[in-house]
Amino acid sequence: EDQVTQSPEALRLQEGESSSLNCSYTVSGLRGLFWYRQDPGKGPEFLFTLYSAGEEKEKERLKATLTKKESFLHITAPKPEDSATYLCAASHYGGSQGNLIFGKGTKLSVKP
Amino acid sequence: DARVTQTPRHKVTEMGQEVTMRCQPILGHNTVFWYRQTMMQGLELLAYFRNRAPLDDSGMPKDRFSAEMPDATLATLKIQPSEPRDSAVYFCASGLVAGGDTQYFGPGTRLTVL
Repeated sequence: EDQVTQSPEALRLQEGESSSLNCSYTVSGLRGLFWYRQDPGKGPEFLFTLYSAGEEKEKERLKATLTKKESFLHITAPKPEDSATYLCAASHYGGSQGNLIFGKGTKLSVKP
Repeated sequence: DARVTQTPRHKVTEMGQEVTMRCQPILGHNTVFWYRQTMMQGLELLAYFRNRAPLDDSGMPKDRFSAEMPDATLATLKIQPSEPRDSAVYFCASGLVAGGDTQYFGPGTRLTVL
């Protein structure tokens, strides 16, 4: 069964304490791996798309990486404003083009 | 700044009433998705359209939910009759298949059925 699993479910960090969020996927032929950020009461906001193993993308304190089985979202020296739920999703050749399979998210809290 | 818009943002209704949620996708996007989000289940895909044609609605309870795209600028999700278990946040997202699979989400409609 195609699925996306995120860990941990929740992560509490001190400001400046770097860490990583994990997204493991089992899909039949990955087309793309997506990261979204969701703030309370808002819709998911697109962050990155990764298409092939070894690819990396960065935005401010965030860096996303991709292997053949998982993706990591590295957060360097986080600030309280990085607190949010981070969602991972995958699209695959075995499914309808444009359809994403979402994980349940990692809720990140960064304390000052 | 192109965005997906959804109305209403909040809806409180009583069990048995009809609920209609509306979505305006980003201009030029050819794929529209409806999701439901709850704490327990996360994001669940309910239905999606490409070029206004329904492609998949297998995630919807067919007896009470219906989704349509009357034109390229409007997608609707209707629940009739509504039940307390339908309480959730409903998101619309749009994308352009030719531009990859990236989906852009609206702000959501928070539905409470009493």
